[in-house]
Amino acid sequence: EAGVVQSPRYKIIEKKQPVAFWCNPISGHNTLYWYLQNLGQGPELLIRYENEEAVDDSQLPKDRFSAERLKGVDSTLKIQPAELGDSAVYLCASSPGLADTDTQYFGPGTRLTVL
Amino acid sequence: DAKTTQPTSMDCAEGRAANLPCNHSTISGNEYVYWYRQIHSQGPQYIIHGLKNNETNEMASLIITEDRKSSTLILPHATLRDTAVYYCIVYIASNTGKLIFGQGTTLQVKP
Repeated sequence: EAGVVQSPRYKIIEKKQPVAFWCNPISGHNTLYWYLQNLGQGPELLIRYENEEAVDDSQLPKDRFSAERLKGVDSTLKIQPAELGDSAVYLCASSPGLADTDTQYFGPGTRLTVL
Repeated sequence: DAKTTQPTSMDCAEGRAANLPCNHSTISGNEYVYWYRQIHSQGPQYIIHGLKNNETNEMASLIITEDRKSSTLILPHATLRDTAVYYCIVYIASNTGKLIFGQGTTLQVKP
């Protein structure tokens, strides 16, 4: 079974440029998550989708970050414009969408470097 | 804030069992104990989870104390590829749906 797919794996951009990350979840998983991981820290949730609906985007900096999950399958996370402090690893995870034991499975992440 | 406390780092000899402790004294009755690990430059990898009973799968065993205030992840025969940061997380999907990662334990398996 294929895992969570993310692309690109690495991205280097200059500040003020836009950038987008793509995620394809495990087939059949209804819930999709975007996490941010700064160097030396654990991942932190940015946004959670249940199917097409963003049910928790409280930690998403909405002035520059946006996300979408059209058709309830794959998802795109965008930053516009990027700032130096956005350099981090952006992780996508998915889960079946069960009640309590809803195990999340992570992709390899996209490492963003903003110069 | 993370609801778990783990040692910052541990060493283990290759081929020996690695026992990683975790304290979660404020765990709620319906919260699960989850373990993930993160190998350098990879995404977190799910290992195992449990509620009350001890659990075992092909990767590890999870021992949860009777009062559920602490647990131990056991890697029975550690290899060099088990070197990683191990995260203990208390979680219930129906609450916030988000995993709250603490600092984790850096396990170094040595030859």
